[in-house]
Amino acid sequence: GQNIDQPTEMTATEGAIVQINCTYQTSGFNGLFWYQQHAGEAPTFLSYNVLDGLEEKGRFSSFLSRSKGYSYLLLKELQMKDSASYLCAVVDSNYQLIWGAGTKLIIKP
Amino acid sequence: GAVVSQHPSWVICKSGTSVKIECRSLDFQATTMFWYRQFPKQSLMLMATSNEGSKATYEQGVEKDKFLINHASLTLSTLTVTSAHPEDSSFYICSARAGDMGDTGELFFGEGSRLTVL
Repeated sequence: GQNIDQPTEMTATEGAIVQINCTYQTSGFNGLFWYQQHAGEAPTFLSYNVLDGLEEKGRFSSFLSRSKGYSYLLLKELQMKDSASYLCAVVDSNYQLIWGAGTKLIIKP
Repeated sequence: GAVVSQHPSWVICKSGTSVKIECRSLDFQATTMFWYRQFPKQSLMLMATSNEGSKATYEQGVEKDKFLINHASLTLSTLTVTSAHPEDSSFYICSARAGDMGDTGELFFGEGSRLTVL
C-alpha cells in the first residue's frame, strides 16, 4: 500500500530551527510537496521537490532523497506565525497526490 | 500564482436541507478538481476527484448520492451536500490542478467552506 509518515506534533522555540521529516512508500514517484496549513484555513504551497538535494527558499528549505524515500522541511529563524500544520504529499505514478496526516508545529516564545 | 475561489465561505443550515458549494478557477482551466473534508484537528480527507465532463471518482466510504459533485466546465465544480445532518458539519475544501496528466500535480486550493448543520 501507499504510505506517508510524518510526526504528529513538534514543538520549537521562537528564533530556533526545526526540521520536519517525511518518509514515503508509494507506487512510483513524481515529486513531493510541502504545504502549510493554519487552523481553519486552506493549505498553502511551500515547496516542490522532484530531484535529490536541497532547495532553499528564504527561511524555508526542503530536502529530498528519492533512494531513501525521505524528505524534510527545514524552518529557520522561527516566528510565532509559523505555528501551523505542515503537510507532506507525494505525487505517485498515476499523478495522484498521496497526503501525509500532517505535522502540527507549536512555536513557544 | 493561480487563484481558486470557493463560495460560500461559511454556511449554516437546518438538518435535512441541501447545501451547494462552488469552486471556481479564476485564471486557469482546471481539468481536475478535488474535494476534501477536514474535521477539527484532523488532516485533509479526500472525498472525490472530478474531471471536467465526466463523473466524479469517489473515495471509499464517501456516499456519492449524498455528496453530489458536478464539474460541468473547466472553471467550475460544485459539491452539493444533500439532506445534510449535524455529522456533516465540517470544513470542505476544493483544489484544482491545471493542465493534463503528466504535469507536476501542483494543487491550488480554495479558501474552504465551513458548513454547520443545526
